[in-house]
Order: sequence, then structure tokens, then C-alpha cells
Amino acid sequence: QVQLEESGPGLVKPSQTLSLTCTVSGGSISSGNYFWSWIRQPAGMGLECLGRIYMTGTTNYNPSLESRVTISLDASKNQFSLRLRSVTAADTAVYYCVRVNRGEVGSNYLDYWSQGSLVTVSS
Amino acid sequence: SYELTQPPSVSVSPGQTATITCSGDKLGGKYTHWYQQKPGQSPLLVIYQDDKRPSGIPDRFSGSLSGNTATLTVSGTQAMDEADYFCQTWDTYTAIFGGGTKLTVL
Repeated sequence: QVQLEESGPGLVKPSQTLSLTCTVSGGSISSGNYFWSWIRQPAGMGLECLGRIYMTGTTNYNPSLESRVTISLDASKNQFSLRLRSVTAADTAVYYCVRVNRGEVGSNYLDYWSQGSLVTVSS
Repeated sequence: SYELTQPPSVSVSPGQTATITCSGDKLGGKYTHWYQQKPGQSPLLVIYQDDKRPSGIPDRFSGSLSGNTATLTVSGTQAMDEADYFCQTWDTYTAIFGGGTKLTVL
């Protein structure tokens, strides 16, 4: 069974960089069948995709966040990571790491989600 | 930017059928997926690729697509189905979610 688990600080100061790492177990991050993505959800609100990464290291970012986001992966550790720079209170949210299954027809559905990690931006 | 529109809330009596819609420009040319989220939990995939059900999801959950509107149907709704439901598609390389629909089982 595939499992994803985030790790990283739960509190970040304004203007600093939010960093989270997702460790994948039960499956290889190097499989060509999947992308790996970060999704966030402010309290009581909807879901927002920050971006995704493929096993080759190719990344795609949400245009609204592209100037501040970096997603990377470490295949040797079966991990992928998120860095979000210059954070403000608006970046306070639960952050999920997610597996995106490319599917047989490239439909790209999000089939495994982590438990979620609350990151608060506050001084 | 691309948007998906869902009704904020839907109410249904136990045992009845609930329908949740999701509309978007040219959605008929994309694939729609649906997620269930209960309070304090991560989203759970309930329908993928418009109308396919993942292993372990009860067959009372079904999906369909007509024109530019995708629909999630919950037949014989149970109290345990009370949750937020989000539709999702892709705008080029970015996952886009609907605003979510709170399904209340009265």
C-alpha cells in the first residue's frame, strides 16, 4: 500500500521560506506512471495545486505561485520536496503531498494523499 | 484562469439520491475526477476519469459527463456519505479544483 508522509516545520515566519519533504513508501518515486504533487488547503477553504514533478525532474507550477515555488525530488531517498519563498499569512494552510496517477489515457487523477501538515505563517 | 463551478451545498434524505454538479468551460473535452473529504481527513478519490470507480469505493457512487457539466451521483445516500465533495480537472499542467459541495444527509 502506497503511503506518503510529510515532514517539516509547522511554523514559519513571514518573509521566510516554507520547506516540506514528502517520503513515499510502498512504491517508487521513479516509476514513469506517476507525477508527484503538492496541494494545499487553507482552513475551511478549497484545494489549490502548487505544482508537480515527474521522475525526470521535470516540473510544472501553478502560474499564480510560480515565482515563489520550487519542487524537487531525491530518488535515492524516495522523497520529493516543496520550497515556498517569501511566505505571508495567506500561505497558512494544510499542505498535502499527493501521487498523481497518469492512468491509461493520461487522465491524471490524484489517487494517494498524505495526512496533511498544517503550516502556520506567523511571527 | 480556469474555473470549475459547484453548488456550495446539497441536502438529501437518507436512502435518496444526491447529485452534485461541476461545470467548466470546455470541460467536456477534459477528464473530471471527484474527491470526498470528511472533516479532519485528507481527500479521497471516489470517481476518476469521469465515470470510473476506484477499488474499494461503494457502487452507490457514480459519475457522468454531459456537455460541459460533470455530475457525481450518490444513490441510496447513507449518513456516512456526509462530506465535502470536490471535482477536479487540469488546466494544462495545473490541477484545478471546484470550490467544493457540502453534502448534508438530513
